[in-house]
Amino acid sequence: EIVVTQSPVTLSVSPGERATLSCRASESVKSNLAWYRQKPGQAPRLLIYTASTRATGIPARFSGSGSGTEFTLTISSLQSEDFAVYYCQQFNNWPHTFGPGTKLEI
Amino acid sequence: QVQLQELGPGLVEPSETLSLTCTVSDGSINSYYWSWIRQPPGKGLEWIGYIYYTGTANYNPSLKNRVTISVDTSKNQFSLKLRSVTAADTAMYFCARGVNYVDYWGQGTLVTVSS
Repeated sequence: EIVVTQSPVTLSVSPGERATLSCRASESVKSNLAWYRQKPGQAPRLLIYTASTRATGIPARFSGSGSGTEFTLTISSLQSEDFAVYYCQQFNNWPHTFGPGTKLEI
Repeated sequence: QVQLQELGPGLVEPSETLSLTCTVSDGSINSYYWSWIRQPPGKGLEWIGYIYYTGTANYNPSLKNRVTISVDTSKNQFSLKLRSVTAADTAMYFCARGVNYVDYWGQGTLVTVSS
């Protein structure tokens, strides 16, 4: 099973600032990685798939990059709705696995 | 747009079988993969398994001996059965569309395993 890790565990930022979240896989997943945002009490929402493709309806302030084992999610100008938990997930090998999450807080 | 809704008991006794159904509305279950994903309280996400509308399924090896996912295309539903549950199976259970990544999620249903 591929182990996915995320850093930092918590990131404290201010609205309007830029946030950079990291995700690492224990072996290469090529570009088979997705990012989700989960607000409290809600299901996750798909943000990015295949490492860098924005999902339908996702604003351009979200961008993803990376391949192999190292990935990054960048949020260029934080809005109030962006303060949530972010998960990355690999889909190169079954079982597909999620990282433990990064909490973005004010 | 596609909507998913989980239904099933919120409380299951230890050693019993957890059974959930997901109804897909405003879209057909045909031609897509459908998944079950769970999240223990305050913890991360675990992919339980997925099924194609034709009935072909695949399960997480960590749960493989206890889980069955089935589909009923006539009702636009798919279902999860998890046998011999313990407290470790207490979680929010989400039904979802997708096999690689999920583009549509149900709101989730909390299942507690307790006597």
